[in-house]
Amino acid sequence: KNQVEQSPQSLIILEGKNCTLQCNYTVSPFSNLRWYKQDTGRGPVSLTIMTFSENTKSNGRYTATLDADTKQSSLHITASQLSDSASYICVVSPGKDKLIFGTGTRLQVFP
Amino acid sequence: ETGVTQTPRHLVMGMTNKKSLKCEQHLGHNAMYWYKQSAKKPLELMFVYSLEERVENNSVPSRFSPECPNSSHLFLHLHTLQPEDSALYLCASSQSWTSRETQYFGPGTRLLVL
Repeated sequence: KNQVEQSPQSLIILEGKNCTLQCNYTVSPFSNLRWYKQDTGRGPVSLTIMTFSENTKSNGRYTATLDADTKQSSLHITASQLSDSASYICVVSPGKDKLIFGTGTRLQVFP
Repeated sequence: ETGVTQTPRHLVMGMTNKKSLKCEQHLGHNAMYWYKQSAKKPLELMFVYSLEERVENNSVPSRFSPECPNSSHLFLHLHTLQPEDSALYLCASSQSWTSRETQYFGPGTRLLVL
């Protein structure tokens, strides 16, 4: 069964600290993996997308990694800011038009 | 802003009411989507329209009825809903209906069914 699991479910960190969010998937075949950021009261916004041949991709202070062999991805946030408080959703596609969504990690950054 | 707007932002309705959710995209995209987002559950894809034709209906109850009058507008008509239908309803659009295309989401309509 195609599944995407994210951990931790929620995370609290202090402003300025780094953090890493995890995404494990059992989706097969694999086409691409995307990370979304969803602020409270807003829809998700795409941060990065990676295909099978890419193992890292950055977007400012956000760096996503992908290990297609172990079927794991991580999203690393450097020097966190209050505006990073949001839910982060991992989405994996087995190809064509299909998307498998994770339940998300809720990150709270405190001053 | 993402270029996708949704109205209303909040909606409270009784189980016997009929209401409609509206979505408009200003991005010139050819695919539009309705999703349901419930607490602690993954986003659930409800409907997909590509070039104004419905191409996917993920076993959604008939009390939800989508309409796509043109490539920029998408509606979700609601009637005789149940309390378990309370959720955030998100509209999205993308250039085409493939997983590689980025989907741009609206802010959602928070629906409460009493």
